[in-house]
Amino acid sequence: AQSVTQLDSQVPVFEEAPVELRCNYSSSVSVYLFWYVQYPNQGLQLLLKYLSGSTLVKGINGFEAEFNKSQTSFHLRKPSVHISDTAEYFCAVSDRRGGSYIPTFGRGTSLIVHP
Amino acid sequence: NAGVMQNPRHLVRRRGQEARLRCSPMKGHSHVYWYRQLPEEGLKFMVYLQKENIIDESGMPKERFSAEFPKEGPSILRIQQVVRGDSAAYFCASSPGDRRYEETQYFGPGTRLLVL
Repeated sequence: AQSVTQLDSQVPVFEEAPVELRCNYSSSVSVYLFWYVQYPNQGLQLLLKYLSGSTLVKGINGFEAEFNKSQTSFHLRKPSVHISDTAEYFCAVSDRRGGSYIPTFGRGTSLIVHP
Repeated sequence: NAGVMQNPRHLVRRRGQEARLRCSPMKGHSHVYWYRQLPEEGLKFMVYLQKENIIDESGMPKERFSAEFPKEGPSILRIQQVVRGDSAAYFCASSPGDRRYEETQYFGPGTRLLVL
């Protein structure tokens, strides 16, 4: 069974500093990887996804992530964060398994941007 | 172009009552997924439905919980005889259903259920 580990439950950072949110997964087959953001009292929005091709994926709001197959990681990065980036971030993985597509989500990382 | 709609946004029930959560997928989407989010936890998959079919309900508790996605109308997640432990945010997501493994899920704003 696939699993997703988000190593940090909370990441505090100052505004305009760079940030990296870590995500590791376990799966024995080809995977598709996603990062979602959840603002308070809202649903999840897709930030970016890796399906195939270039291992560096660019998403919305200046975020990017790099797929590293050997390390089974898909870390999310932003070179300079803004106060408005304060939110919960979820990594998710889905794989070719059975007849249905059910992503597995990590527990989430709370990004807290301080002025 | 409306996104995924869920109602009610907030629902308060007393122990033993029934809770009905509704989800209208995005236009053109035929696949619906329900997730539960407990405080300080990620999303836990509950059930995956297509129109008139339950495809995967491996995450659904065996008792008191049921889901449907009729030919017409929204998908319904029904919780009978609610208990305090059912208090959570319930999210619905939809997808087009034409690219199974790689398609993005679009999430609704969630229904926050509080059981008193």
